Amino acid sequence: DAGVTQSPTHLIKTRGQQVTLRCSPKSGHDTVSWYQQALGQGPQFIFQYYEEEERQRGNFPDRFSGHQFPNYSSELNVNALLLGDSALYLCASSLPTGTGVGGYTFGSGTRLTVV
Amino acid sequence: AQTVTQSQPEMSVQEAETVTLSCTYDTSESDYYLFWYKQPPSRQMILVIRQEAYKQQNATENRFSVNFQKAAKSFSLKISDSQLGDAAMYFCAYRSASGNFNKFYFGSGTKLNVKP
Repeated sequence: DAGVTQSPTHLIKTRGQQVTLRCSPKSGHDTVSWYQQALGQGPQFIFQYYEEEERQRGNFPDRFSGHQFPNYSSELNVNALLLGDSALYLCASSLPTGTGVGGYTFGSGTRLTVV
Repeated sequence: AQTVTQSQPEMSVQEAETVTLSCTYDTSESDYYLFWYKQPPSRQMILVIRQEAYKQQNATENRFSVNFQKAAKSFSLKISDSQLGDAAMYFCAYRSASGNFNKFYFGSGTKLNVKP
């Protein structure tokens, strides 16, 4: 299956620590978006990467940063973790327009717990 | 800014019956897409159905259909012949169709329970 792969699936960190989450996009997709889904809420857009650059950013502090590699995979980094950062982090891949065959494909997410 | 509202936090339906999930949205754009996504316990967001705003005809996908009322900014999902496997969180989502790099705006979700 050439869908979106995220790692790790679960993670427990302590307040103040830093974390890196990883995402491999679906084959043929070159754009990666990250979403934060707090418990009982819908996903909220963090940022989007294309051609190794951040193209758009949601209302998240600078503690949230990202990177895209030449093979289109991406990382989400969160510094100085707060209890409120506990959430499911979803990665979605697409083409820049988000349309066409395949559209957007979501991964199964990384469940981050901050204690 | 665009907003998506799902006013039903939880709903229940008997197996084989029909259920309708509600969604309203707010936008000043004329060109956009609307989606219903299903999120089972496996956590992956699965596309159920998609509607282009310029199309007047309501989208259908097998047992799933939508009632798209553009003027009222309403986008409800009807699930016919409900099955146990339909039990999940359902999210309504909006995305602009203008330009590139457009993000999703999601509602807060509706938890659907299916009773045998």
